[in-house]
This record gives sequence, structure tokens and C-alpha cells, in this order.
Amino acid sequence: GAGVSQSPSNKVTEKGKDVELRCDPISGHTALYWYRQSLGQGLEFLIYFQGNSAPDKSGLPSDRFSAERTGGSVSTLTIQRTQQEDSAVYLCASSLVRGITEAFFGQGTRLTVV
Amino acid sequence: ELKVEQNPLFLSMQEGKNYTIYCNYSTTSDRLYWYRQDPGKSLESLFVLLSNGAVKQEGRLMASLDTKARLSTLHITAAVHDLSATYFCAVDRETSGSRLTFGEGTQLTVNP
Repeated sequence: GAGVSQSPSNKVTEKGKDVELRCDPISGHTALYWYRQSLGQGLEFLIYFQGNSAPDKSGLPSDRFSAERTGGSVSTLTIQRTQQEDSAVYLCASSLVRGITEAFFGQGTRLTVV
Repeated sequence: ELKVEQNPLFLSMQEGKNYTIYCNYSTTSDRLYWYRQDPGKSLESLFVLLSNGAVKQEGRLMASLDTKARLSTLHITAAVHDLSATYFCAVDRETSGSRLTFGEGTQLTVNP
């Protein structure tokens, strides 16, 4: 595709529910990243996928968070039993080659937990 | 732990003026990136700096990298209102799996 696509663009969920956020990276990009941006805050790294290598999950804040990438393309970030502090914009990015080129970001999913 | 600090965090300037945003990072790094974020929007890549002494320019923005000082600068020349946005620098290290560590961001407002 022309750019990184994320869905949904906005999601409101009740506390305790599970949510799934989707990211469709740029075609051919082997690296995929998830970041979180809270209101007025910087960007927090969550997880990184590179090709068939084991993902770097070191940024996931708790075991309620998980992510997978199927077929080296689309990725899904799942948050179980959502809490109010999970409210943020979740940004996905992809890059052509690991660390060599800049990452291109999607428009993000704004998650609100009520 | 790699830390990235930007200053200033907030910058209000008049059109036509020049200013510099600074980005310091705590350890040896391979690459430095500058991004722009408009309100409610995602991040747009501005510059990728890959080596010591690298300088890149696009329009009224110029970025440079001094790896020995662990410092990058984003210089704004003759600012215009359209440059109002939040600017982030980010650093990655091959040894950390290429995840980007971002600075806090500099919120720039250019007043007509």
C-alpha cells in the first residue's frame, strides 16, 4: 500500500474489555514497530518485529499486552482487560530494512477506556 | 539505558526569526532521526542522519549530527507559520534491535 494503515482510527471501550488494534505496513517492509503516545507525552516503544526473527517485546508494559505479526505483514496488538491508563494513541510504523532507513508511521489508533 | 533529551520543550517565535532545537542523547548511537508531528496527526519523517558531521537541509530546516558530542541540532531559518508543529528527535542503536528511543518533543509555535 501507499502508507502504513491502522484500524480502527478511534476506539472507545469499557474498562475490562479486550481490544485488538490492526496495522498493515508498507508492502515489502520487513520491520514493524508499535509505539504508544499518551496525552502530552512522548513516544513509548512497545514491540518490534523484524522478518522471521523473534520479536523484541521488551517495551510491553504488562502481560495484558501482546502482539503478533502474521505472514510477515499485518500485525495485531491486543490489550486484554483494558484499564483507564491504557488510554493513548497507539502508533504503528514500518521500515524497509532493520534500522537502516527511517520508520514510516501510520495515523494511529486513539484508544479511550471508559 | 539510552536517554534522549530535547530542549527547549516549548518554543514560541515570530515569523522571520531563526532558532535552534537541541537533541542530546546519552550513549553512542548509530543513527539519529528527526520527525514532525502536527496536532492530531501521525509522525512525518524529516531527516535521517547516519554519521558524524552529517548535515541535511530541507527548505527552512537544517539538521546536523555530532556523534562525539552526542548532539543533534535542528535549525530553523526565517520561520513561517506553517512550521508550527511538534518536533521529535529519535535515536536507535543496532545493538538494541533498532527500536527508536524518542526525545520528549519540542512544541514549536510560529506567530504571524
